[in-house]
Order: sequence, then structure tokens, then C-alpha cells
Amino acid sequence: EAQVTQNPRYLITVTGKKLTVTCSQNMNHEYMSWYRQDPGLGLRQIYYSMNVEVTDKGDVPEGYKVSRKEKRNFPLILESPSPNQTSLYFCASSIPGLAGFTDTQYFGPGTRLTVL
Amino acid sequence: AQKVTQAQTEISVVEKEDVTLDCVYETRDTTYYLFWYKQPPSGELVFLIRRNSFDEQNEISGRYSWNFQKSTSSFNFTITASQVVDSAVYFCALSVNRDDKIIFGKGTRLHILP
Repeated sequence: EAQVTQNPRYLITVTGKKLTVTCSQNMNHEYMSWYRQDPGLGLRQIYYSMNVEVTDKGDVPEGYKVSRKEKRNFPLILESPSPNQTSLYFCASSIPGLAGFTDTQYFGPGTRLTVL
Repeated sequence: AQKVTQAQTEISVVEKEDVTLDCVYETRDTTYYLFWYKQPPSGELVFLIRRNSFDEQNEISGRYSWNFQKSTSSFNFTITASQVVDSAVYFCALSVNRDDKIIFGKGTRLHILP
């Protein structure tokens, strides 16, 4: 079954304790991305990756890191989480589209993170 | 800069009524994609439709239809004969050729009342 998986689905942590949210896709998609969703703000892109070893900042990258060592995985790293990073996080992957840029995105189930 | 505006924050209609969700986009690019996604109360994001900028044909899928008008930079979504299961947050999104980001609107929360 084609899917994007995220782990953990729920996480409560404390300020400053490093954490990683994993994201994996089995569709051989080149493009992967992370979003956060906050009430009233919709989805905002954190980081994206066009392919292995190619990553770039989205609209709200501060306080996050990513890596893309393999095509299927795109982990999101919070080196020192803070309460303002409490949010719902979505990972997504996509096939290349018209003229090579981003086509339909398939989303993971989401990770609800609370930073105390 | 690219922008997507969903002016309707929240809409409530009675079941079986038709409802239209508005989406207005801004871009100077001539090549772009537009999307609609649904987020039901369970929280997942479900892809509904993709439209590229060269295809202005309207699309119908069952009770759902989409009206793409480049002249007004709009990509509106209509649900005909709404059902309670249509209750969700709906997001419109834009992707442009020269920028690999996808910009989402803030979403419209739709309540279908029984």
C-alpha cells in the first residue's frame, strides 16, 4: 500500500530535549516536505527536499533541521524544542509534475507535538 | 510573491444545500498548479484535485465540482447536495514553476448541519 508514515503520532516533551520525528514514504517520490499546522494559520512549510542530499528552507525553518540521506526518509529534528513549536506536524511526498516542479502531495497522518 | 486567500473562515449550511468555497490566488508565474485538500475531523489531509494553469476546464467529480477562472485568479470548489460527511476543513493551495514551495490558504471550516 502506497503511504507516508510518521512516527511518533503523539509526543509530549520538555523544553530543550532534542527530538526527531521520522517520515518515510514507499512511493519512490523525489520530493518530500514538512509542514506545521496551527489554528488560524493553516499549513506552513518548514523544509522541503527535492532529492537525496538536497534540502531547502520553507517559510518557517527556524528551530528545525532536516536531512535527506535516503530517498524514502526525511526526518525532522528539533535540537532544542520550545513551547512555540507545539503544533501538528505533517510530512508529505510528491511526484515531479509539469515541468518538473511539485505535483500532488500525499500526506502522512500527522504528529501532534506538545512542548512543555 | 505567491499567496492563497480563502476569505471564508467558517461556513455552516443545512444538509442537502449546495455550498461554494472560495479560493483566490496570486502569482506572476504563468505555469502553476492549484490544489484542494480536505481535512476531516480525524485530522488527515486528503487530496481532492489538482489543476494546472494551462487547463481551465471545469471539473466535476460526483457531488464535487471546481471552477477555475484565470481571469479572476479563482479556483472555487462547490459541493452539491451537501452531506454531514462533508464537514471538514478545506484547504486550497498553489505551487509555482520557479519555486518548489507549496503555499496553502488558511482553510475554510465547513459545517454541514443535519
